[in-house]
Amino acid sequence: QVQMQESGPGLVKPSETLSLTCTVSGGSIRSDDWSWIRQPPGRGLEYIGFISYTGTTTYNPSLRSRITISLDTSKNQFSLDLSSVTAADTAVYYCARRSGAAAGNLDYWGQGTLVTVSS
Amino acid sequence: EIVLTQSPATLSLSPGERATLSCRPSQSVGSYLTWYQQKPGQAPRLLIYDASKRATGIPARFSGSGSGTDFALTISSLEPEDFAVYYCQQRSSWPWTFGQGSKVEIK
Repeated sequence: QVQMQESGPGLVKPSETLSLTCTVSGGSIRSDDWSWIRQPPGRGLEYIGFISYTGTTTYNPSLRSRITISLDTSKNQFSLDLSSVTAADTAVYYCARRSGAAAGNLDYWGQGTLVTVSS
Repeated sequence: EIVLTQSPATLSLSPGERATLSCRPSQSVGSYLTWYQQKPGQAPRLLIYDASKRATGIPARFSGSGSGTDFALTISSLEPEDFAVYYCQQRSSWPWTFGQGSKVEIK
């Protein structure tokens, strides 16, 4: 059973960089794609982007200039960096696996971590 | 980007009743339409993918239908654990987008 857990600061100051890590257990990060999705409080879901097990990244054009997703196969982790944050970036951030077994859909998710952007 | 419009925003039903939720993409997504269920304080859960295929472990009371620009999620007989928010998502065109959600609440 794959398990995923987000970690990182819960509070980030405006204009700084939000950095989150997702640790994957019960499965290898050396296959499938690894995604970040966010959900502002009380609102819907937004697909931030994903990284393949080969390291190829795909970013949402609305965020492309500010995001970096990277992979650390030695630790079975992947990470999200979002620069120049504003209050609009306040959200619950989820990591998820995009699985070939589920035809490219998100079949395992972390529990989510709330990141608040505030001074 | 493709906009997904879900309706109704809220559906008030009793356990045992049938629920039908709609998702209409702003342009054709073929069959690349996915449904997720989200309960308060939890991550979304994959229910249906490729419009009509149930994900592993999903009960048969959940079914999906449609193609192109008109999709539906049907719950044949609501169980207490089915009261939640349901999101559709398209993966036909990047960026993949989600609908705004439909809440199924207890009447």
